[in-house]
Amino acid sequence: SQTIHQWPATLVQPVGSPLSLECTVEGTSNPNLYWYRQAAGRGLQLLFYSVGIGQISSEVPQNLSASRPQDRQFILSSKKLLLSDSGFYLCAWIPLGRVKNTEAFFGQGTRLTVV
Amino acid sequence: SQQGEEDPQALSIQEGENATMNCSYKTSINNLQWYRQNSGRGLVHLILIRSNEREKHSGRLRVTLDTSKKSSSLLITASRAADTASYFCATAASFTGGFKTIFGAGTRLFVKA
Repeated sequence: SQTIHQWPATLVQPVGSPLSLECTVEGTSNPNLYWYRQAAGRGLQLLFYSVGIGQISSEVPQNLSASRPQDRQFILSSKKLLLSDSGFYLCAWIPLGRVKNTEAFFGQGTRLTVV
Repeated sequence: SQQGEEDPQALSIQEGENATMNCSYKTSINNLQWYRQNSGRGLVHLILIRSNEREKHSGRLRVTLDTSKKSSSLLITASRAADTASYFCATAASFTGGFKTIFGAGTRLFVKA
């Protein structure tokens, strides 16, 4: 069966420090991968999406970047964190070829607090 | 901007009552999905309704879709305290190479025991 792993679950980082959040998917190939951010009590904002290795699309300009070094690995990064980067980050995937009619599967999320 | 917009933003009901949440969207869709999120957790898919469907049921859930009004509703019947969560609608928007799922701001449901 397919599973998605996202870590760490919580993270407290000082302003100006780097960030690396990792997401991996098991049991599938060529998934469409997504990074979302959720502010407290709000909806999900799509940050990045990827349809394949090395293919990254950014939804909104920001202090973050994403990379997909392997088929089932999606990394969210920052060189220097800002206070405004605090939030709940969620990784999701949708099976290749089924994006039109299937649900997205989410990781458990990473709560990032920048202090 | 987000594709879907839910209302109400928050809903508080007694256990046993029905809860209705609405969602509006802006562009043409292939399908509309509803998700649930418990506090501080990831989202869990509840139900998907295709653009050529008008109503769908799953257990205590009933979803309707009106493409002419670009709106959908989620009805939870005979609510339970365990239904307390945030509920989001989502639509799939196309981009070059694939689709991306866009979420609304969500409805926070609180069911009092």
